[in-house]
Amino acid sequence: EAGVTQSPTHLIKTRGQQATLRCSPISGHTSVYWYQQALGLGLQFLLWYDEGEERNRGNFPPRFSGRQFPNYSSELNVNALELEDSALYLCASSLAQGLQGYEQYFGPGTRLTVT
Amino acid sequence: DAKTTQPPSMDCAEGRAANLPCNHSTISGNEYVYWYRQIHSQGPQYIIHGLKNNETNEMASLIITEDRKSSTLILPHATLRDTAVYYCIVTSKTGANSKLTFGKGITLSVRP
Repeated sequence: EAGVTQSPTHLIKTRGQQATLRCSPISGHTSVYWYQQALGLGLQFLLWYDEGEERNRGNFPPRFSGRQFPNYSSELNVNALELEDSALYLCASSLAQGLQGYEQYFGPGTRLTVT
Repeated sequence: DAKTTQPPSMDCAEGRAANLPCNHSTISGNEYVYWYRQIHSQGPQYIIHGLKNNETNEMASLIITEDRKSSTLILPHATLRDTAVYYCIVTSKTGANSKLTFGKGITLSVRP
């Protein structure tokens, strides 16, 4: 069974540009989560999507946004990039909330570098 | 989510059991204890979770004290590939708390 996949592996952008990161969940998983892991700050929760809707949001500015498509894949968009956005962005998926097997399974991440 | 406290680091010899402690004294009745690990620059890997009973799977065992205020993750026969940062997380399974709050974790170093 394929795990969570993310693309691209690495992304280099210039300050002020926009970045788009993509995630495909494990087959059968309907919830997708995004996390940011910046150097020295640890893993921080960004967004949670379930059944196409944004269900929860971490303490990040509105320029961090995303969506979930009907096939449950997801996209994270970061607008007006700042140098501090340089980080490893991790996507995770899980079965629907409330069911057994809530545990989240993570992808390998996208390394975003803003210059 | 309840806060967890873990020592910053520990080491153990290859082939020996690694016992990783975690304190979660403010855990509430509907909160589970989850363990994840992250090998350098990779995505976190789910290990095990439990509510109040001890749990075992192919990767590890989870021992939760009767008062649920602390737990121990046991890797029965540590290998060099188990060197990683291990995160103990307490969270409920439903509602707006459907996110994982990662602390600093404990860095386990397995020595040959």
